[in-house]
Amino acid sequence: SQQGEEDPQALSIQEGENATMNCSYKTSINNLQWYRQNSGRGLVHLILIRSNEREKHSGRLRVTLDTSKKSSSLLITASRAADTASYFCATARGGTDSWGKFQFGAGTQVVVTP
Amino acid sequence: EAGVAQSPRYKIIEKRQSVAFWCNPISGHATLYWYQQILGQGPKLLIQFQNNGVVDDSQLPKDRFSAERLKGVDSTLKIQPAKLEDSAVYLCASRQIRGPATGELFFGEGSRLTVL
Repeated sequence: SQQGEEDPQALSIQEGENATMNCSYKTSINNLQWYRQNSGRGLVHLILIRSNEREKHSGRLRVTLDTSKKSSSLLITASRAADTASYFCATARGGTDSWGKFQFGAGTQVVVTP
Repeated sequence: EAGVAQSPRYKIIEKRQSVAFWCNPISGHATLYWYQQILGQGPKLLIQFQNNGVVDDSQLPKDRFSAERLKGVDSTLKIQPAKLEDSAVYLCASRQIRGPATGELFFGEGSRLTVL
């Protein structure tokens, strides 16, 4: 079963608007990562947030992590048509038996219209 | 720096036939992953290698799927015989850091399999 569950499944916005998507997970984690996937392409890493961090920024991206609620959010500010893609969260569990094991959610499909 | 290379990009076969996918990870990356991504879903881990040893293959359907990573570099994923439900994109990813689960994954463009 997949660890992360993204919400919403799909999001349609206009250029310049902000896009927010959420990820919930079930077990304790070492870190949580967000990836982008353009249609027909591989996944590209966007940002990583560790379990002891609450917020992280990278350019127009802002990620928050609430370990008490086992949830994370990804905010894309001032969206552009090029942000049209599917966004996935991936959780990495801690512990020596889980080294490098990443589980992905089902993704949020974002469409940004000009 | 060259990225993760995968081939072929597309493959169409009939059910019960066999297929093989090849992956060349980023140079120096010790960990290599094969993921299966069915249309509309997130990637599902099939197998994870650390150098040329298998770390996790718990979700690999071993009656029909096999994978190897000879010499700890390139990897091959084989399906024999293929079923209709194997239609998916097979993604290869590599990671530089061994040990605790830190560090990003680098993905190839994927190999899209259609089973008729």
